[in-house]
Amino acid sequence: KQEVTQIPAALSVPEGENLVLNCSFTDSAIYNLQWFRQDPGKGLTSLLLIQSSQREQTSGRLNASLDKSSGRSTLYIAASQPGDSATYLCAVGTGGGNKLTFGTGTQLKVEL
Amino acid sequence: GAVVSQHPSRVICKSGTSVKIECRSLDFQATTMFWYRQFPKQSLMLMATSNEGSKATYEQGVEKDKFLINHASLTLSTLTVTSAHPEDSSFYICSASGGLGDQPQHFGDGTRLSIL
Repeated sequence: KQEVTQIPAALSVPEGENLVLNCSFTDSAIYNLQWFRQDPGKGLTSLLLIQSSQREQTSGRLNASLDKSSGRSTLYIAASQPGDSATYLCAVGTGGGNKLTFGTGTQLKVEL
Repeated sequence: GAVVSQHPSRVICKSGTSVKIECRSLDFQATTMFWYRQFPKQSLMLMATSNEGSKATYEQGVEKDKFLINHASLTLSTLTVTSAHPEDSSFYICSASGGLGDQPQHFGDGTRLSIL
């Protein structure tokens, strides 16, 4: 059974800092990995999708890497802003990518 | 693009009531739709996967007679919580995908269900 763990569970940083969120998974036989953002009481916004054959994806200030063999992914956020405050979830896709197993999330707070 | 609308956003009702939640893909055809449940401070748990025109596939431990899923068209899926009880109170989120895993799932804003 696939298990997905995210560290840290919560993180508070000053504005402008670069930060790294970690995601690990137990079964390396994945189809893809996605990073999502969830604001309180809201649904999920897809940030980055990495296929199993890829090593990283970039979008603006966000960069996600994938090391499938070691079961790890990181989300790098550059020059953090208060608007980045949210819970960040990683999800591993199996079964053709359609079945997502979610991590427990990292709650990020960026302070002025 | 790729907007998923979920309605209602919040429901408060008495125990024993059946509640229907709608999930619509507004600007794309959703071959597959997914229903998740999220308890406070926990992550999302997949409840079931539905393909248009087919019966939903439920995850282990999810009662299919309790959580009725219909995916009658490429833009609409519904989840009906039948005879809801307080333990069914949760945050329910749907997502939709236009194809296989090379396309991301797009999520609705969720429905907060509170059973009194």
